[in-house]
Amino acid sequence: DQQVKQNSPSLSVQEGRISILNCDYTNSMFDYFLWYKKYPAEGPTFLISISSIKDKNEDGRFTVFLNKSAKHLSLHIVPSQPGDSAVYFCAASPIYNQGGKLIFGQGTELSVKP
Amino acid sequence: DTGVSQNPRHKITKRGQNVTFRCDPISEHNRLYWYRQTLGQGPEFLTYFQNEAQLEKSRLLSDRFSAERPKGSFSTLEIQRTEQGDSAMYLCASSLGSPRGLGYTFGSGTRLTVV
Repeated sequence: DQQVKQNSPSLSVQEGRISILNCDYTNSMFDYFLWYKKYPAEGPTFLISISSIKDKNEDGRFTVFLNKSAKHLSLHIVPSQPGDSAVYFCAASPIYNQGGKLIFGQGTELSVKP
Repeated sequence: DTGVSQNPRHKITKRGQNVTFRCDPISEHNRLYWYRQTLGQGPEFLTYFQNEAQLEKSRLLSDRFSAERPKGSFSTLEIQRTEQGDSAMYLCASSLGSPRGLGYTFGSGTRLTVV
């Protein structure tokens, strides 16, 4: 039962353009949503998060949007750079879990071409 | 402090053998997490410790798996009688307190291949 889904395994974008990575979730019992970036042979690195009471959070070139009615969040990267090429995971933090457990999506591999 | 350290980086073992992985968290972090990642999937939660206490275990953590964190410092994850389905990347992460929206710091992982 996949509670957090990333339906696009890959995305290719031209340098300088916008990258939009999408994530859907299936229940409303999450209080935070997070995005992680992963380079090959490295562990995931925390990128940005959003509280479930917000609909937008911005940090430099990265903006996360949350649409609670659609149970959908997206990560926008503007402008995209070749160094952004990586696998991006969205993750959700269950409200009922105080331990810090995260539920991850399957990941989307972003390729930014010069 | 150089972050979360995991050893070994790679492990190849024959089916039926036991393996043990080690994780050294960031020194001041009191919480430590183990995740497993298989090809094409995101990390899946296995277990977590607060200091030396193991407070939650996933259903994924079968009887063949055991994790310890003696003295609340480093942690070990042991898999007994390995099976081919255990082949995966095993990731360790740590945090200071409950991470909520702050995320936690992952190590580079141990890639296990069972042949």
